[in-house]
Amino acid sequence: RKEVEQDPGPFNVPEGATVAFNCTYSNSASQSFFWYRQDCRKEPKLLMSVYSSGNEDGRFTAQLNRASQYISLLIRDSKLSDSATYLCVVDAWGNLIFGKGTKLSVKP
Amino acid sequence: DAGVIQSPRHEVTEMGQEVTLRCKPISGHNSLFWYRQTMMRGLELLIYFNNNVPIDDSGMPEDRFSAKMPNASFSTLKIQPSEPRDSAVYFCASSFGPLQTQYFGPGTRLTVL
Repeated sequence: RKEVEQDPGPFNVPEGATVAFNCTYSNSASQSFFWYRQDCRKEPKLLMSVYSSGNEDGRFTAQLNRASQYISLLIRDSKLSDSATYLCVVDAWGNLIFGKGTKLSVKP
Repeated sequence: DAGVIQSPRHEVTEMGQEVTLRCKPISGHNSLFWYRQTMMRGLELLIYFNNNVPIDDSGMPEDRFSAKMPNASFSTLKIQPSEPRDSAVYFCASSFGPLQTQYFGPGTRLTVL
């Protein structure tokens, strides 16, 4: 089983849509969780950390489900500028492990 | 504030040549990471340093790859000899600790012909 798994997509959605990504992880002892965003031919950048109680940052909501070992990212009212690849990041055995990412394409 | 600085941004070389990638982490960060990204394998951790000491190099593909961090503000990743399968984007990242938020440099796009 891979340490961090994501649906690669692509998710093609119209502007204004709500879209959700899930990510599963294998290490039940993981404590740190993040979502990163990577634009085409750019470096990954932190989008938001994921806290146990769930957290929201504007149109973005992150949730953690420890029992099922997955984290999710919800984007509401999607914008053209949200088009990017979203990377799930989880700590495992002393390192941060990056998922391969889910590609989102928001269309006019 | 300056972010993570990498050089060169692009490198095209021929098989068998030595390649050296350079990284300057964010001042004050104690951890430095080297990653390789390809379409097939995604973002792979090659090696990371904590307080200039290599902690985990299990991701280094083979003896052709070596990394050094002579001081807190500079690190190099060297490939000798380079092979076409080494073609990828190499990112350097730094953070306050191994499990803290990592900040990435712009990457070096390496092409080995």
